[in-house]
Amino acid sequence: SQQGEEDPQALSIQEGENATMNCSYKTSINNLQWYRQNSGRGLVHLILIRSNEREKHSGRLRVTLDTSKKSSSLLITASRAADTASYFCATDVNDYKLSFGAGTTVTVRA
Amino acid sequence: KAGVTQTPRYLIKTRGQQVTLSCSPISGHRSVSWYQQTPGQGLQFLFEYFSETQRNKGNFPGRFSGRQFSNSRSEMNVSTLELGDSALYLCASSLGRGEGEQYFGPGTRLTVT
Repeated sequence: SQQGEEDPQALSIQEGENATMNCSYKTSINNLQWYRQNSGRGLVHLILIRSNEREKHSGRLRVTLDTSKKSSSLLITASRAADTASYFCATDVNDYKLSFGAGTTVTVRA
Repeated sequence: KAGVTQTPRYLIKTRGQQVTLSCSPISGHRSVSWYQQTPGQGLQFLFEYFSETQRNKGNFPGRFSGRQFSNSRSEMNVSTLELGDSALYLCASSLGRGEGEQYFGPGTRLTVT
């Protein structure tokens, strides 16, 4: 069963706009990670946030974590066509395996 | 540093056959995990190897097996293939257990006919 669920399932935005997607999970976690996948290829690690952290930035990415609500959000600012991809959240519950959500498909229109 | 490599990239097999997929982790990485990705079930954890030992296993039948060699390279095997085994099989490596981010290979696309 999947630990995380992303919302929305799909998102279409104009280049230059911001994209926000959310992830909810069910059990306590060690850390939460976000990955990007382009057209059925391998996953690219974007950012990791530990359970004792609330916010993290990496370039145009901003991730928040609310452990009381068991939720996380990923914000991509000033989106580009190259950001078109599927985005997955993955939770590590301290047993060294990642549980992935179903993903959010983001389309950035030129 | 070279990334995670997986061979072959594409494979077509017939029901009932068996298949072996290979994964070479990033140099120095000792943990290798395997995931199956399908449109219906999404990304699901298969197993994790560290120091040539399977440390963790997902909820898959015994037809799915794997191993890790002393150089950390890993193989997974699926016997008696079923149509539902058609999927993208992804391998990921990390420095050690619980080291945070995992680095994924490009995957092997398996089609069972």
